[in-house]
Amino acid sequence: AQSVAQPEDQVNVAEGNPLTVKCTYSVSGNPYLFWYVQYPNRGLQFLLKYITGDNLVKGSYGFEAEFNKSQTSFHLKKPSALVSDSALYFCAVRGGMDSSYKLIFGSGTRLLVRP
Amino acid sequence: SAVISQKPSRDICQRGTSLTIQCQVDSQVTMMFWYRQQPGQSLTLIATANQGSEATYESGFVIDKFPISRPNLTFSTLTVSNMSPEDSSIYLCSVYGRVGQETQYFGPGTRLLVL
Repeated sequence: AQSVAQPEDQVNVAEGNPLTVKCTYSVSGNPYLFWYVQYPNRGLQFLLKYITGDNLVKGSYGFEAEFNKSQTSFHLKKPSALVSDSALYFCAVRGGMDSSYKLIFGSGTRLLVRP
Repeated sequence: SAVISQKPSRDICQRGTSLTIQCQVDSQVTMMFWYRQQPGQSLTLIATANQGSEATYESGFVIDKFPISRPNLTFSTLTVSNMSPEDSSIYLCSVYGRVGQETQYFGPGTRLLVL
């Protein structure tokens, strides 16, 4: 069965410091991996994805994520956090051969960036 | 990416009543989904809205409670029937734009409070 784990309910970081939000997954076949962000009273916004190719993918707002097949991880990173990055972050996965196109979401990680 | 709108953006309803949520996309899309996000929780897929045929429901969700229509490639509705306070959630529609497109985009959500 497909699953996604986000082991941290909340991540706290000071503005200007690097941040990491962790995600591990389990899926049959090659994974399609995604990060979404949800700001208060807003829908989900797509940040970035890994489908194939370079393990380091870059996305919106300076975020990047590294696909690690051996560790089945897809951690979200940013070199220098901003207060405005404070939001709820979701990792999602689907199997590359899954014709249903359904996404499985992690439980979410709340990022709090202190001024 | 497709531009997705939902109506209403929020509502407060009395138990026992029904609410229909609309999802409108600015271009024809191949697949549409409806998700529920209960307070403090992750996203759970309710169903895949199929154009011209009955929706495909996930385990735990039934058509009598969540009837879905999709009359064309740009529009879908989700009805939450005979509501109870446990139905208080954010309801989100999402789409894939074209065959083979890898990224799922989400509407802004409908915030429902049932008293």
